[in-house]
Amino acid sequence: AQSVSQHNHHVILSEAASLELGCNYSYGGTVNLFWYVQYPGQHLQLLLKYFSGDPLVKGIKGFEAEFIKSKFSFNLRKPSVQWSDTAEYFCAVNVPNNAGNMLTFGGGTRLMVKP
Amino acid sequence: DSGVTQTPKHLITATGQRVTLRCSPRSGDLSVYWYQQSLDQGLQFLIQYYNGEERAKGNILERFSAQQFPDLHSELNLSSLELGDSALYFCASSVGGGLAGGGEQFFGPGTRLTVL
Repeated sequence: AQSVSQHNHHVILSEAASLELGCNYSYGGTVNLFWYVQYPGQHLQLLLKYFSGDPLVKGIKGFEAEFIKSKFSFNLRKPSVQWSDTAEYFCAVNVPNNAGNMLTFGGGTRLMVKP
Repeated sequence: DSGVTQTPKHLITATGQRVTLRCSPRSGDLSVYWYQQSLDQGLQFLIQYYNGEERAKGNILERFSAQQFPDLHSELNLSSLELGDSALYFCASSVGGGLAGGGEQFFGPGTRLTVL
């Protein structure tokens, strides 16, 4: 079964700093990759996704992620964070097959951006 | 607003009781998923239904059950509740049951269950 690791549990940044959140997964085959964000008191929202093609994926709100197959990684980046980016970020994978579409989530990274 | 609705928003109950959580998927979505978010276990997949049939099962306890009705809404039933069942329960929906729709799942606002 696949698993997902997010090594940074808590990150504190000042506004305008650059962000990189790590995500590694363990699965030898083809996977679909996702980053979700959960703002305080809100539901999960999709930031970006990767299925195939260009390994550099651009999402909403200026976020991007790079899929590096050899490293089993899908790190999330943003060049300049804002206070409104304070949230919890989840990396997730699923295995494209006909047996279901379940998402396996990482443990999440809580980001606090200081104004 | 994702288009996925969940009721109730909050639920407080006692150990040993039974509760039902309800989810309405986005219009046109055939799959419904249930996830549990707790402090110690994180976000865990429980179960998926596609067009009324169970499609995939995750770490769902035997005390928990779910179903999807002909109008595609879903209910998650939790029985013989224990303190450790306190968590946020999310429902998500997607167009297809596998690759259709690109695998993107849209999440509802969640039901916060507190077991006292």
